[in-house]
Amino acid sequence: DADVTQTPRNRITKTGKRIMLECSQTKGHDRMYWYRQDPGLGLRLIYYSFDVKDINKGEISDGYSVSRQAQAKFSLSLESAIPNQTALYFCATSDTVGQNNEQFFGPGTRLTVL
Amino acid sequence: LAKTTQPISMDSYEGQEVNITCSHNNIATNDYITWYQQFPSQGPRFIIQGYKTKVTNEVASLFIPADRKSSTLSLPRVSLSDTAVYYCLVGDPATDKLIFGTGTRLQVFP
Repeated sequence: DADVTQTPRNRITKTGKRIMLECSQTKGHDRMYWYRQDPGLGLRLIYYSFDVKDINKGEISDGYSVSRQAQAKFSLSLESAIPNQTALYFCATSDTVGQNNEQFFGPGTRLTVL
Repeated sequence: LAKTTQPISMDSYEGQEVNITCSHNNIATNDYITWYQQFPSQGPRFIIQGYKTKVTNEVASLFIPADRKSSTLSLPRVSLSDTAVYYCLVGDPATDKLIFGTGTRLQVFP
């Protein structure tokens, strides 16, 4: 969905380096999410935020941190990258209407940690 | 914690109806059940969602029994372009988080 953008799209880094993945959205949604996807494991939630002052851990938050700089921006950081964090990372947004689970995903960031 | 089970893969031919079931034994009472489609190198894309019984839109139908312990995505008359991975998404009542299923890889043959 072009309304959700992620930068960079691809990144190769070395063990121990700090990496930041950025997500921006123009949909005006309050809720934003970070997922990682590994082959055969589907999508797993890392962190999510329901508004600018709200940050919540997902299933696999260890080794990651996030910052919700504004309604439209949600960044994911790897303070000290390790090889098993090599994965495809997706940002997503959703509206706050009822229990609607429709999420809009960005194009993904492919991260390789050597 | 909500646990979901989907078949790992399914094969079909063009023009056939495909039904993909997601079993979810313990989901949030008030949340919708949602299905997504994902093509390689793209983010998942919303297909359909429902709460109970049957929902139909222009691309699919979703069947949810009264006990909400499973849901079935039905794709009528699939085409080659429906080859993708399909995920269910449900709410976990213990953590209030959304949990994706492990996905079903659908391969459509001519």
